[in-house]
Amino acid sequence: QQQVKQSPQSLIVQKGGISIINCAYENTAFDYFPWYQQFPGKGPALLIAIRPDVSEKKEGRFTISFNKSAKQFSLHIMDSQPGDSATYFCAASDDSGYSTLTFGKGTMLLVSP
Amino acid sequence: EPEVTQTPSHQVTQMGQEVILRCVPISNHLYFYWYRQILGQKVEFLVSFYNNEISEKSEIFDDQFSVERPDGSNFTLKIRSTKLEDSAMYFCASSEKGGNTEAFFGQGTRLTVV
Repeated sequence: QQQVKQSPQSLIVQKGGISIINCAYENTAFDYFPWYQQFPGKGPALLIAIRPDVSEKKEGRFTISFNKSAKQFSLHIMDSQPGDSATYFCAASDDSGYSTLTFGKGTMLLVSP
Repeated sequence: EPEVTQTPSHQVTQMGQEVILRCVPISNHLYFYWYRQILGQKVEFLVSFYNNEISEKSEIFDDQFSVERPDGSNFTLKIRSTKLEDSAMYFCASSEKGGNTEAFFGQGTRLTVV
């Protein structure tokens, strides 16, 4: 199965709170898991990505947690800010050579001031 | 910072008409992609292109779609006979290498078929 399942569909978090978005996949050939951030009217932009040889990757306020056995990965946004309000997509690809991404359905995050 | 640029930003066309969406990938990138996003839905892969040929395509990319790299800088998506359900945001993306490397997306072309 090529699907990547993402939840929740939408999320409201207070400023300073932690935003958590979860994704699950079936295809064990996936070995690259990026998160993309999309603002209205813009294209998706890579936020952070992880490969399955590590269980966690942190870049600033953004952390990916990866559970290979459960085939799940999640994005944590610490100290969420109103400027983080956007749609977040998880994605996955395998190492077939062409970087083709399979996206989740997206999570619309609203960080209230 | 280098970026992928797409034109036009918005295209309105009548059903049955042909449209060409244009993209200028990042100059040193070798792999090119088209994705689409129907309003409120996820981003879906259409096609990948490398070494002047299609390398992979999804089931969405049927005979009405074609891609071309007419010169050293442009990458186009043609839809021969548009349908109402082709209305979507179309994103071009490029990457420097194949495999699992970062794909850079353009800002998209919103196609509206009426």
